[in-house]
Amino acid sequence: DAGITQSPRHKVTETGTPVTLRCHQTENHRYMYWYRQDPGHGLRLIHYSYGVKDTDKGEVSDGYSVSRSKTEDFLLTLESATSSQTSVYFCAISENWQVGSPLHFGNGTRLTVT
Amino acid sequence: SQQGEEDPQALSIQEGENATMNCSYKTSINNLQWYRQNSGRGLVHLILIRSNEREKHSGRLRVTLDTSKKSSSLLITASRAADTASYFCATDAFGNEKLTFGTGTRLTIIP
Repeated sequence: DAGITQSPRHKVTETGTPVTLRCHQTENHRYMYWYRQDPGHGLRLIHYSYGVKDTDKGEVSDGYSVSRSKTEDFLLTLESATSSQTSVYFCAISENWQVGSPLHFGNGTRLTVT
Repeated sequence: SQQGEEDPQALSIQEGENATMNCSYKTSINNLQWYRQNSGRGLVHLILIRSNEREKHSGRLRVTLDTSKKSSSLLITASRAADTASYFCATDAFGNEKLTFGTGTRLTIIP
């Protein structure tokens, strides 16, 4: 398996609280991504990074922010969690941009917002 | 947004049989990828096929791409219990170079 660690693996939080999910890679890949997976929607891209301090929005970025201060770490923050953000969140990495390069995924964080 | 759609949504077969899953998409693509997801785990990349390729093989996997029909198929031969998983196609479109994932086919192999 690619060296990708997501933490925490499970989290329950209350509406309105901030939440930060962490993704750590040991592959030194340039590109990192955050996806959410919900029944009936497949995976949807939230944010991605193409280098340290270089990030951009994906398809469903409202209510989320990201930061990448080191090559190996990519943080996803829910600024004020809502019930609609209950989901499974996956971090992925790739050596080159995703359309021509395989993505390697972490094992996900299951987030429940009550 | 453009999206690959897998068919069928669910498939159950006996161990040893072949499994075929299909992916259809709406607009012209550069590449198409197939991924597998075991329960409670992240997705694992299986095969990437480019728009100028018609068929690729990897072990017991065979992927075909028909750009005229905007469709791809994934064939798993001689299925095993360990092949039980969800399978997703992911496509990118000309002018929108981000992957879009389908909702997947859930494959169950019956021992």
